[in-house]
Formats: sequence, structure tokens, C-alpha cells
Amino acid sequence: GAGVSQSPSNKVTEKGKDVELRCDPISGHTALYWYRQSLGQGLEFLIYFQGNSAPDKSGLPSDRFSAERTGGSVSTLTIQRTQQEDSAVYLCASSLDTGQRTQYFGPGTRLLVL
Amino acid sequence: KQEVTQIPAALSVPEGENLVLNCSFTDSAIYNLQWFRQDPGKGLTSLLLIQSSQREQTSGRLNASLDKSSGRSTLYIAASQPGDSATYLCAVIGGGSEKLVFGKGTKLTVNP
Repeated sequence: GAGVSQSPSNKVTEKGKDVELRCDPISGHTALYWYRQSLGQGLEFLIYFQGNSAPDKSGLPSDRFSAERTGGSVSTLTIQRTQQEDSAVYLCASSLDTGQRTQYFGPGTRLLVL
Repeated sequence: KQEVTQIPAALSVPEGENLVLNCSFTDSAIYNLQWFRQDPGKGLTSLLLIQSSQREQTSGRLNASLDKSSGRSTLYIAASQPGDSATYLCAVIGGGSEKLVFGKGTKLTVNP
């Protein structure tokens, strides 16, 4: 496909369970970003990758959150021992390179923790 | 710490009106500013990107201006249409950073 894709589109889980969210960036884009959009906080940066490296993880809210990227392409955001406050829309974006270029966003994964 | 504010939080106008959405940011050391559109349940669509050295960008009925020294940007929408109804988000990237800092958006409703 031409755009950023994310899966699943919706995820309902029970408190304490682990979840994995997937992002497929636009082909050829070397930079990949994760953001979280929640009702009270708006859109917040979580982490970004340049290739397979994550130079900035400053937005990850706790050590329950981790992300990896393999092959310079697909990225997975993992949330361990989910809490109700983790409920949000998780958005992934990619850009051709770093250097503050235009970021193109996927449709997001809507996570609900019961 | 960079903070981005958007005013108003919501706006309702009749079809055909010209309108202005406002965005302000606290740290003027930005690299660029982007305006996005978000439809309910959807991701973000980039509308316009203004580099810090630019004063404005135009795309169709949209015009975005940037006054970096005063920390302000405006998005002007001409001849609004019901299809323009969405939430409009402003975001900036600061020097040396790769992360977008977003405002909380303006929810626009254009009534037929």
C-alpha cells in the first residue's frame, strides 16, 4: 500500500495483559515515529526510530512501554501489564528521513483497557 | 518546554464563510510548523508545512502563515464547505528535535 498501515485497528484487552501494536511505514521511509492520542492529553510523542535505532525514547511514559524496529521497516510497540490509563489511540508516522521532514501518519490503533 | 495552544477549541460556521484558526507556541526556536486535519476515527492528514524561514504556504483554499518571532501561526480557510468539517491540529518541531509537539486542536463544523 501507499500509506502507513497499523494493526490491529482496534484492540480491547483486560487490565494486566500485554499488547503488541504494529506499524508498517511507507516503503523507503527511514524514520518512524510513535505518538499517543488520549482524551485528556492530546497528541504526545512516544519514541522515534532512525533505521533500527531509537535516538529519542523520551516520551515513553513508563518501563512498561517498549518498541523495536527490525529491518529498517516494521515497528512494534509493546505495552506490558496494561493499565486503564493506557487506553488511547496509538498513532504511527513515517518520514523519508530525519531532518524534520513531513511526517505521514497511519490510521492508528484504538486501545481500550478494561 | 515547548507548548502549543490552539484557539478556539471549537468553531461552527455556515457554509461559504472564510475563517481563521489560530496556533501559538512558546519557544520560537522552531524548525518547521505543520497543520494537520483529523477526521473522526481516522489518522492525521498533513495539510501544509511551513519551514521556519518561510512566512506562508498555500494549498488550494488553504493558506497558512507563520510569524516565528511572535510564536504564532494562522490557518485561513476560504469559502468553507461541509467537507471541511474536521479537527485541525497545529504542530511544531524545535531545533535539534525530531518530535512534533501538537496543540489540542480546533474542531471545525461547517453547516450546510
